[in-house]
Amino acid sequence: NAGVTQTPKFRILKIGQSMTLQCTQDMNHNYMYWYRQDPGMGLKLIYYSVGAGITDKGEVPNGYNVSRSTTEDFPLRLELAAPSQTSVYFCASSYLRGPTYEQYFGPGTRLTVT
Amino acid sequence: AQTVTQSQPEMSVQEAETVTLSCTYDTSENNYYLFWYKQPPSRQMILVIRQEAYKQQNATENRFSVNFQKAAKSFSLKISDSQLGDTAMYFCAFMTHPGGSQGNLIFGKGTKLSVKP
Repeated sequence: NAGVTQTPKFRILKIGQSMTLQCTQDMNHNYMYWYRQDPGMGLKLIYYSVGAGITDKGEVPNGYNVSRSTTEDFPLRLELAAPSQTSVYFCASSYLRGPTYEQYFGPGTRLTVT
Repeated sequence: AQTVTQSQPEMSVQEAETVTLSCTYDTSENNYYLFWYKQPPSRQMILVIRQEAYKQQNATENRFSVNFQKAAKSFSLKISDSQLGDTAMYFCAFMTHPGGSQGNLIFGKGTKLSVKP
């Protein structure tokens, strides 16, 4: 059981480039999330999805796009990368949304924009 | 807006001793939930313990326990018999009752704990 997997583990982007961070879960969870963790800070929610075809904004959505075509996958798209997007990105999933449903996190993607 | 504050950026403890990490939060809600997450050097986020605000009894999970003071809006984590594997960043997090954006986890900035042999 792989849980939540993320690719790539590390990436360096030039300003203005675009990329997609991949996230896959094999637990048949309905809910999936994208967080970013800036140095010395806690995680902040970028986007979340309640199921295939349904997504919603979190606390810091600007500069990102998401899609959810399948239950398993929830890619995060960065368009026109900026230095402010240098961060560690975590994907998570849960069976349902709420405090009794544990969110399972992937190992993260460290992104540097220069 | 809800906020979570962890006032100790770094702490250290000797192996086998006990350490307490502090967390305070601010909310006008009465029904909410609090969590402690552990992030070891591998960066994996691991749920350590969870507390429901309506429960007066403090949650415990093996060597981990909390001191939940609802009136003071305080939620500290006590680690007993510290082990080298407890070395990690510890994040306090908050969630109100799910519904719209209220089901989101709000994290503090974290406390870096080092367990020394």
